[in-house]
Amino acid sequence: AQTVTQSQPEMSVQEAETVTLSCTYDTSESDYYLFWYKQPPSRQMILVIRQEAYKQQNATENRFSVNFQKAAKSFSLKISDSQLGDAAMYFCAYRNSGAGSYQLTFGKGTKLSVIP
Amino acid sequence: EPEVTQTPSHQVTQMGQEVILRCVPISNHLYFYWYRQILGQKVEFLVSFYNNEISEKSEIFDDQFSVERPDGSNFTLKIRSTKLEDSAMYFCASSEDVLLQYFGPGTRLTVL
Repeated sequence: AQTVTQSQPEMSVQEAETVTLSCTYDTSESDYYLFWYKQPPSRQMILVIRQEAYKQQNATENRFSVNFQKAAKSFSLKISDSQLGDAAMYFCAYRNSGAGSYQLTFGKGTKLSVIP
Repeated sequence: EPEVTQTPSHQVTQMGQEVILRCVPISNHLYFYWYRQILGQKVEFLVSFYNNEISEKSEIFDDQFSVERPDGSNFTLKIRSTKLEDSAMYFCASSEDVLLQYFGPGTRLTVL
């Protein structure tokens, strides 16, 4: 079974600074997808960024980028120029790419605070 | 922008009672999911649903749980006889294809 570990229960960052959230996972599959979801307080989870395991290039979405290290099974999220609206729970998630396997496996989350 | 909606936002019930949690997925989506998050723990997959049948379910999704798409818009999760350990946040999600899942805001279920 796949597992996802987020070792930082809480992080904080100064506004305009950069922060990196860690995620590691365990799988025996060679092809899969990785995601970062953001959950603001009392709001639904929103997809921030995704990475296909077969792609060597790290995904980027505006201020959000990932450092995907397949051999190390590591998938960290970097938030540049942090803004107050980035304060939220961040969940790392994994999904097999195989047909019929749609479930996401989540980490426990990292609570990010942004200090003005 | 279309969103997944869930009702109610908070449900309180007595142990042994049946509850139905409701979700309205995004209208053109074909795949539907339920997840739950017990306080302080991970979000856990319960079930996925496609073409009017369950496509995948976890060990958590035992005989006390059922899902249904009673009409063209709603997707429901029924818990037949609630237990104290069913207290959790229940999230519905939907996707147009199998890749990107869009989540609702959740229903907090409290079993007394």
